[in-house]
Amino acid sequence: GAVVSQHPSRVICKSGTSVKIECRSLDFQATTMFWYRQFPKQSLMLMATSNEGSKATYEQGVEKDKFLINHASLTLSTLTVTSAHPEDSSFYICSARDRDRVRLEQYFGPGTRLTVT
Amino acid sequence: AQSVTQLGSHVSVSEGALVLLRCNYSSSVPPYLFWYVQYPNQGLQLLLKYTSAATLVKGINGFEAEFKKSETSFHLTKPSAHMSDAAEYFCAVNYNSGAGSYQLTFGKGTKLSVIP
Repeated sequence: GAVVSQHPSRVICKSGTSVKIECRSLDFQATTMFWYRQFPKQSLMLMATSNEGSKATYEQGVEKDKFLINHASLTLSTLTVTSAHPEDSSFYICSARDRDRVRLEQYFGPGTRLTVT
Repeated sequence: AQSVTQLGSHVSVSEGALVLLRCNYSSSVPPYLFWYVQYPNQGLQLLLKYTSAATLVKGINGFEAEFKKSETSFHLTKPSAHMSDAAEYFCAVNYNSGAGSYQLTFGKGTKLSVIP
């Protein structure tokens, strides 16, 4: 149980285009989902927290107009990188917290490798 | 504020040797603590967690960790390293970020190499 999927696993796009990444909880309902960014050989940096049916909460320094997050249902959150540039190239990982296990661990997706050319 | 410090960004051990990955935390309240493993180009997999029950926690793949409040530590160990243990390991603390919302704070990670 507690599986989180991400789609796509890899994406290459041209500078100036937008890319959407999906995060789904497959066998549980997630009231809260998290989006992280990971640069090579570095730790995960929290970008934003999204709660189903409400606006995402962005961490300091993360541009909310560039990284659009939508959490439309209890099993789906999306991250859209708008007008992507090469510096947005990174590994994006989502995680979800089981609605019934609020204080405990987050379940992580397999990540999405974004390359902007 | 909560924080996690992992000592050693890179640890090398011989196959069959003891694995010890260090993690110290800073928390003003009793923490929930986690160890995650990440293989290249993959997401994070939970190894084990401490949630204020037993101080010695056993996880998957033969790993265990001991919560020591007096030392504010949660070191990860495995008696005998296997080649498949080579990966990046992250220690994390779960804390209340306000209004009952809990967030994870990660350490910088320790890359484990296993030498045949």
